[in-house]
This record gives sequence, C-alpha cells and structure tokens, in this order.
Amino acid sequence: DAKTTQPTSMDCAEGRAANLPCNHSTISGNEYVYWYRQIHSQGPQYIIHGLKNNETNEMASLIITEDRKSSTLILPHATLRDTAVYYCILTGTASKLTFGTGTRLQVTL
Amino acid sequence: DTAVSQTPKYLVTQMGNDKSIKCEQNLGHDTMYWYKQDSKKFLKIMFSYNNKELIINETVPNRFSPKSPDKAHLNLHINSLELGDSAVYFCASSQGVDGRNTEAFFGQGTRLTVV
Repeated sequence: DAKTTQPTSMDCAEGRAANLPCNHSTISGNEYVYWYRQIHSQGPQYIIHGLKNNETNEMASLIITEDRKSSTLILPHATLRDTAVYYCILTGTASKLTFGTGTRLQVTL
Repeated sequence: DTAVSQTPKYLVTQMGNDKSIKCEQNLGHDTMYWYKQDSKKFLKIMFSYNNKELIINETVPNRFSPKSPDKAHLNLHINSLELGDSAVYFCASSQGVDGRNTEAFFGQGTRLTVV
C-alpha cells in the first residue's frame, strides 16, 4: 500500500474548523483514502473514506484533490473531544490498515 | 451493546507464561483482525481472518497463535511470553476483505504487561 505523509501535530480552537492534510502522491488507482482517529487510551475509530469524490458524513468531510495526490479531512466545528491522533490510510486490494504516525490534533479553548 | 469486545482489558503476567486474549464481535462481520500497538504508539497489523480462514499473517513469531472458532470470535494465544510482548493489543472487525469496505471497528484494547 502506498505511503501517506501527515503533519506531526496541529492545534485548533474549539468551535473552529479543523483541516487535517494528507499527502499521498504515489496513490494507485484502486486505493481508497481512509481516515481514522485514536483518542487517548481508546481503540482507533473510523471517520470517513473515499476514492475520488468528496465525501461527507455526520463526523467529517473528506476533500480529495482531482489528481488524488492529497486529501483533507475537515472537522467542521472542533470540540475538545476531537483531540486525538488522526490517521490517513490508503487501502488497496487488501483489507489491512497500515497506520503511520498520524497527526496529533489538539483542540483548545 | 459493545460492537467489538475484548477480554481482559488489562493483563499482567510473568515471562515464560502462556496467556490468551479473547475477542468477540456482534456486527455480523466476515473479517477480524489483531493489531499490536507498542510503547511508541505504532499500530501494526498482526493477523487477519476472513470467515475463520487466515488471510494475513504479518511475520509474527509463531509463539502467537490466533484461533477463530467461528466468524464472531478471534482469540489470540501467546506462548512463552517475553518482555517485548508488552503492548496494547487491539481486535477489530470489518465487513469485507478489500479496500472498498475496510471500515473497521476496533475493540478497546488489552494492555499486556510482561514482567
């Protein structure tokens, strides 16, 4: 599975939108972009995924560039409970998730 | 109802012992996994089972033996525990086996400490 690059950490004020970028310049045509997060001491939690179209669900929006070489996860109104490590993951023909180091998002008052 | 449940939540044991961690999912999923998160917080897949058949084995020592009695259960048995086995072990499940539907649900983890 292709590799992703994410910033190590980001801060966001509560109530503001959190935009988390992910670069995946070597993504192949059959690979989906998945986002998970891990809140301290909990198991990873699925957020959203997409192939090439933008996606939105009750948790977040996923914006994928037209060339699919990067994406952005958007939490529209971040709360303190969104403080977590966010992982951008590519999956292809295998169902396994290859977690990188992720982005540590700190939401502050 | 907890979707993916693991027991025990904490496990402290001595080197050389044999221990098991149990996992059950009530989501009706076909695929189950074991992941290991080490002290540096890296999450790595260990095993994956689909319909009770092993489909992924990521070069895990053969002291680790997963067992899937049915689709809803995937237990992890570890023989001759070593200090380096100390980690948090997560069980997960998903409906499919390919990248289209790898929305995985994780358990809360089992923190294994080997002393």
